[in-house]
Amino acid sequence: AQSVTQLDSHVSVSEGTPVLLRCNYSSSYSPSLFWYVQHPNKGLQLLLKYTSAATLVKGINGFEAEFKKSETSFHLTKPSAHMSDAAEYFCVVSDRNAGKNRKLIWGLGTSLAVNP
Amino acid sequence: EPEVTQTPSHQVTQMGQEVILRCVPISNHLYFYWYRQILGQKVEFLVSFYNNEISEKSEIFDDQFSVERPDGSNFTLKIRSTKLEDSAMYFCASSEAGGGNEQFFGPGTRLTVL
Repeated sequence: AQSVTQLDSHVSVSEGTPVLLRCNYSSSYSPSLFWYVQHPNKGLQLLLKYTSAATLVKGINGFEAEFKKSETSFHLTKPSAHMSDAAEYFCVVSDRNAGKNRKLIWGLGTSLAVNP
Repeated sequence: EPEVTQTPSHQVTQMGQEVILRCVPISNHLYFYWYRQILGQKVEFLVSFYNNEISEKSEIFDDQFSVERPDGSNFTLKIRSTKLEDSAMYFCASSEAGGGNEQFFGPGTRLTVL
């Protein structure tokens, strides 16, 4: 079975400082991994995805994540936080080889607050 | 840029009533999904749909739920007799192909059951 654990429910950083949102996954198969962002009263937007190519994945808005199989981790980072980054972030796993059954398994989310 | 759309944005209904949530996936996509997010909880998979049939469904997706692609454009989720615990944000998603391919999400429908 697949699962995702987001290690922090809430992270608070100052504007201009680095962001680290932690995610560990469990998967019996070859996983695809995603980070989605949800701004208040908005839908779910894909930040980045890992699907078996480069282990360091770059996404939108300066975010990146590194797939570490040995640690079963897929932490999200950004060198310098911006006020507009304040949102809910979800780490998500999917089974890459599941045929046509490609449901996404979601973490509980990490709420990122950015202080001026 | 093509996007997934959902209507209505907010639906209020009485317990026991039927509701239909509507979605228009991206036109060349083949896989369709419904997820829900109860307030304060994680996003949960409900059902996936491919080639005019359900590919997979979760244990949440019981006999009260059904999905349909009535006209090759819309993708609907019907709840036959709503319960208070069905109150949630419902997200529709679509993808070109399964697996590692990105699922594109609509803005969601907030369902409130009174």
